Amino acid sequence: QVQLVESGGGVVQPGKSLRLSCAASGFSFSRYALHWVRQAPGKGLEWLTLISYDGSNEYYADSVKGRFTISRDNSKNTLYLQMNSLRAEDTAVYSCGGSWDFYLDVWGKGTTVTVSS
Amino acid sequence: QSALTQPASVSGSPGQSVTISCTGTTIDVGRYNYVSWYQHHPGKAPQPLIYDVSKRPSGVSNRFSGSKSGNTASLTISGLQAEDEADYYCSSYTISSTWVFGGGTKLTVL
Repeated sequence: QVQLVESGGGVVQPGKSLRLSCAASGFSFSRYALHWVRQAPGKGLEWLTLISYDGSNEYYADSVKGRFTISRDNSKNTLYLQMNSLRAEDTAVYSCGGSWDFYLDVWGKGTTVTVSS
Repeated sequence: QSALTQPASVSGSPGQSVTISCTGTTIDVGRYNYVSWYQHHPGKAPQPLIYDVSKRPSGVSNRFSGSKSGNTASLTISGLQAEDEADYYCSSYTISSTWVFGGGTKLTVL
């Protein structure tokens, strides 16, 4: 069964850091590009970042560039998102996704991050 | 990296057809045939409906179809059913090798 399961969400103070994980199973993890997408309360989906299948390339949305870092461990079938200097506007459900072609054909259900003092 | 523009809401009666537009620019929708569409029921993982403008992933009903003209892509849902009520998002690859989503469209089946 194809599955992506996010973890690591929680409540964090502004300015602090948090690391999210996304565990994959049921598909060829090391052959997929992987993404993080978020949805703030009452808002739409926002694409955040992408890492290539072998980890050699990373791309970021302007809203998180310089604060968030995507990484992957193909030996553990796990994707990560290191989030630094968190702001209230980063409060959202964070989901990971995988793309073989130019669309996300595998999605997780998400983990909730709340940035609040 | 501005979000693609979608109507906030559309509606239709069972059996009817509805079309959702997705307008981008020459650096995303207008430049590449890498437009995809997703159905999102709140609390669940989004499901891909269309990729590469008009292709359907295996298992997706042929009631869903996609097209593109210039900087605007469209998703048409024919034979509306109650279970089609959901949020719909378009997405495009961009000239910066990033991706961008539309703001989302809430479909109401009357």
